Amino acid sequence: AQKVTQAQTEISVVEKEDVTLDCVYETRDTTYYLFWYKQPPSGELVFLIRRNSFDEQNEISGRYSWNFQKSTSSFNFTITASQVVDSAVYFCALSDLAETSGSRLTFGEGTQLTVNP
Amino acid sequence: DAGVTQSPTHLIKTRGQQVTLRCSPISGHKSVSWYQQVLGQGPQFIFQYYEKEERGRGNFPDRFSARQFPNYSSELNVNALLLGDSALYLCASSLGTGLTGNTIYFGEGSWLTVV
Repeated sequence: AQKVTQAQTEISVVEKEDVTLDCVYETRDTTYYLFWYKQPPSGELVFLIRRNSFDEQNEISGRYSWNFQKSTSSFNFTITASQVVDSAVYFCALSDLAETSGSRLTFGEGTQLTVNP
Repeated sequence: DAGVTQSPTHLIKTRGQQVTLRCSPISGHKSVSWYQQVLGQGPQFIFQYYEKEERGRGNFPDRFSARQFPNYSSELNVNALLLGDSALYLCASSLGTGLTGNTIYFGEGSWLTVV
């Protein structure tokens, strides 16, 4: 069975601070994809990144960066110089690639990030 | 191009009633999935459809059913509504099935309240 754990339920920071959101996953698959989504109060899940299990290079996109470590089954997300608009719930998710079950995502419980001015 | 669109955005139903939620995927996407998100939790997978066939089903009772139409839009039906069915129902679309490792895009969801 697949499992995603986001141990941080809530994080509160002051604007311009750096913040890291942790994600640990469990899977027996050798090939899989990991995702991060942002969910503002409106409810829509906004896609941030997809990483496949063969690519362990870290990725940076503007103020966002991701650290994928297969050895520790972690896929952490860092926001540099946080802004009030970053306030949202962030979800880490794992993709099941089995042909018979389709591309279902297993989500963590989410981390509520609040950035205060 | 329009993103994933869902309707209705909000609705209130009474216990025992039936509800139909609708979803139009991104143009060109052939796979539609449905997720249920209860307040304070992560989304839970309900169904995936690809080329009008069910390709995956989560751990939900038979009261939940879905279908996909020739234009790739989809409907989620829930019968005999329970209070516990109150949730945000999210539709997601992708180009294909899991093996292609496609990015999965979500709509804004349908907020269902059962009273």
